[in-house]
Amino acid sequence: GAGVSQSPSNKVTEKGKDVELRCDPISGHTALYWYRQSLGQGLEFLIYFQGNSAPDKSGLPSDRFSAERTGGSVSTLTIQRTQQEDSAVYLCASSLGTYNEQFFGPGTRLTVL
Amino acid sequence: TQLLEQSPQFLSIQEGENLTVYCNSSSVFSSLQWYRQEPGEGPVLLVTVVTGGEVKKLKRLTFQFGDARKDSSLHITAAQPGDTGLYLCAGGKHGGGADGLTFGKGTHLIIQP
Repeated sequence: GAGVSQSPSNKVTEKGKDVELRCDPISGHTALYWYRQSLGQGLEFLIYFQGNSAPDKSGLPSDRFSAERTGGSVSTLTIQRTQQEDSAVYLCASSLGTYNEQFFGPGTRLTVL
Repeated sequence: TQLLEQSPQFLSIQEGENLTVYCNSSSVFSSLQWYRQEPGEGPVLLVTVVTGGEVKKLKRLTFQFGDARKDSSLHITAAQPGDTGLYLCAGGKHGGGADGLTFGKGTHLIIQP
């Protein structure tokens, strides 16, 4: 079956512009996660959705970051007024398993010039 | 904040050698997962261990969960170039959710032919 998909795969933007990243989770997975991965680093948790609600937003770096999920499926991560330090790979994962086994998408590589 | 420390951070060895990477914490986890990530892709789940002392084998890879469920190791026998990648461990807590999964920073493994 289809895995987690993300779009776009690459995004280059200018400092100060807004960007929107999309995640399509595996069908039937109720949990959805966003992470950020800087070059050569591990995963930095951003936000978690259970259904359409986000019980844990503690990882969002600033109020320029927001995310929503509609219909318990697709999620979008929006970064307003992008800064160069926002450059990273943004990974989305979905989960259904008892032990939080997460299935990741290929990521969106964001470059802020 | 729960932390997972992975060691070594970087490892480069010759094809055919054996290696072990470690994942340590002062916290107890209900489960521990290992992921492998290749350049340009999202992490892929390799295994989940849930019982203290549990050992799981996946071909040439052997995973062990510590008796106290605070640490884990990954041993690779006769490493192959295809084993090259970033190995991430992630600890889970009961109850699920994003706060139940903590990622280490990873071990970058290079197997030279």
